[in-house]
Amino acid sequence: EDKVVQSPLSLVVHEGDTVTLNCSYEVTNFRSLLWYKQEKKAPTFLFMLTSSGIEKKSGRLSSILDKKELFSILNITATQTGDSAIYLCAPQTSGTYKYIFGTGTRLKVLA
Amino acid sequence: DAGVTQSPTHLIKTRGQHVTLRCSPISGHKSVSWYQQVLGQGPQFIFQYYEKEERGRGNFPDRFSARQFPNYSSELNVNALLLGDSALYLCASSTTEGYGYTFGSGTRLTVV
Repeated sequence: EDKVVQSPLSLVVHEGDTVTLNCSYEVTNFRSLLWYKQEKKAPTFLFMLTSSGIEKKSGRLSSILDKKELFSILNITATQTGDSAIYLCAPQTSGTYKYIFGTGTRLKVLA
Repeated sequence: DAGVTQSPTHLIKTRGQHVTLRCSPISGHKSVSWYQQVLGQGPQFIFQYYEKEERGRGNFPDRFSARQFPNYSSELNVNALLLGDSALYLCASSTTEGYGYTFGSGTRLTVV
């Protein structure tokens, strides 16, 4: 059965801290992995990863995929209160083209 | 460009009733997927449609059905509502067959 585990489940940090969010997965016929940020309703897209070892970067956020060890990490440096959200990772299976979402990591950044 | 639009934004229904949720994808996007997100959980895959054909179905009962129209908009129908169907229903569209999504703001369904 396809499985996604995100850790930690929740995290409280202070502004300026660096955080690392983890996503491990077991899916059949892996195709890609997405990271999303969810603040209120609509998850907003952060990264799509398809190849191992290639870091994707957007401002203070970066992410990398390890297809051999079946995990991905999302790093946020110099955190701000606006980074407070739930961060979701979702590997995709080919065939059905569905994304399997983890429960998410709830990040709270204190001023 | 308008994003993915969903209607209604909120809905309250009684157990046993039927509900229809609607989604309009981003212009040019031919793939629409539906997800259910229960409080405290990640979104769970319900359906994917591409070019008006069902391309994927999640582990949901037959009370859940969907379709995609020629203009690529989509409807999700749920019959015989149960209390456990209360959730945020998210629609997502993409240009190719589910390769990267843009989500709508969702429909919050409450079953009482």
